[in-house]
Amino acid sequence: AQKITQTQPGMFVQEKEAVTLDCTYDTSDPSYGLFWYKQPSSGEMIFLIYQGSYDQQNATEGRYSLNFQKARKSANLVISASQLGDSAMYFCAMRELIKAAGNKLTFGGGTRVLVKP
Amino acid sequence: GAVVSQHPSRVICKSGTSVKIECRSLDFQATTMFWYRQFPKQSLMLMATSNEGSKATYEQGVEKDKFLINHASLTLSTLTVTSAHPEDSSFYICSAGGRDTEAFFGQGTRLTVV
Repeated sequence: AQKITQTQPGMFVQEKEAVTLDCTYDTSDPSYGLFWYKQPSSGEMIFLIYQGSYDQQNATEGRYSLNFQKARKSANLVISASQLGDSAMYFCAMRELIKAAGNKLTFGGGTRVLVKP
Repeated sequence: GAVVSQHPSRVICKSGTSVKIECRSLDFQATTMFWYRQFPKQSLMLMATSNEGSKATYEQGVEKDKFLINHASLTLSTLTVTSAHPEDSSFYICSAGGRDTEAFFGQGTRLTVV
């Protein structure tokens, strides 16, 4: 079974509007962390935001916020006020902190976002 | 924030030759580093976990004799693609992080085998 699922392979968003990228995960580990990365065409992986499984509040970093619904096992990324520079691939990833050895990250399939002027 | 540096960013090599890719943690010590591979329009797939001072742990289906990993110091891990073939052409990227909440990536290496 997929551990990280991103159901939207690609999406368009109008500049200055908000966009929500879906991410659902599957784990039996009680302690885990969820990451979102942005990957522009250059290939670099840019860290956006982190949510720990025990965090009481949803994580926010500037225009990025994470809608963490633990019972539903979802960790959707919300980008507010989209900019042309937000056009990129976005990956959701999970780190299982107890059961998995070595703190490795498991990635979803990614969502390509194209911001239209 | 912590920085992970990867070199080279691009490399073209002839089929049958070997290529070494370096991954350095610049301002922190990394006992563990991770090597990923990414084919075009696909996600990152973990190849192996590099452990300082001991053998790397390879994911299922990854040939350890083809993808040699050495983690000789707390700041450097190397991935050597031995006897490269065109099907090894891909984007290789390393990551490291000092804490559970961190995972920093190198810039990636685009390998083309001709």
